[in-house]
Amino acid sequence: GAGVSQSPSNKVTEKGKDVELRCDPISGHTALYWYRQRLGQGLEFLIYFQGNSAPDKSGLPSDRFSAERTGESVSTLTIQRTQQEDSAVYLCASSLGSVRGETQYFGPGTRLLVL
Amino acid sequence: GENVEQHPSTLSVQEGDSAVIKCTYSDSASNYFPWYKQELGKRPQLIIDIRSNVGEKKDQRIAVTLNKTAKHFSLHITETQPEDSAVYFCAAPAASGGYNKLIFGAGTRLAVHP
Repeated sequence: GAGVSQSPSNKVTEKGKDVELRCDPISGHTALYWYRQRLGQGLEFLIYFQGNSAPDKSGLPSDRFSAERTGESVSTLTIQRTQQEDSAVYLCASSLGSVRGETQYFGPGTRLLVL
Repeated sequence: GENVEQHPSTLSVQEGDSAVIKCTYSDSASNYFPWYKQELGKRPQLIIDIRSNVGEKKDQRIAVTLNKTAKHFSLHITETQPEDSAVYFCAAPAASGGYNKLIFGAGTRLAVHP
């Protein structure tokens, strides 16, 4: 079946502009996660959605970052007033959301470059 | 607090040798330990995982061992090949903040030289 998809695959923007990144999880997956990965670095947790529960926003680095999820489907990560340090690959992942400790399936990521 | 520590950060081996990567976790209630492989420019992909009711799991050249008492788990790759070169991440469930949330280690960059 179809995996996690993300769009755009690449995004170049100017400092100060807003950007929106989209994630389509695997159908039926109620849990959705966003991570940031700077060049050569690890996976930095940003935000986690689980069904209709309030999202876990503990990883968002500043109030310029926000995310929404429509029901149990598409999610959008928005970065306002982008800064050069926001340049990174933004990875989305999804999981079934049924048990504690389960496999997360990653999308291909959106490579963001802020000039 | 919760933490997953991963060592070494880089590992260089000759083709055919074995490679071992170790992770420690802090939450004794953790029950699931996946390993992800990320090739250059690609997404992380699950290569093997283990649950806390077993001590070892094998899949061809890769294996994972779990020591619940010591709270550590390891990835073993035997007969390494150049295509094993990648960054490997371990993970464990978060103790708080989300039922399905995983905490990832910092990653190990494995280089297999022909």
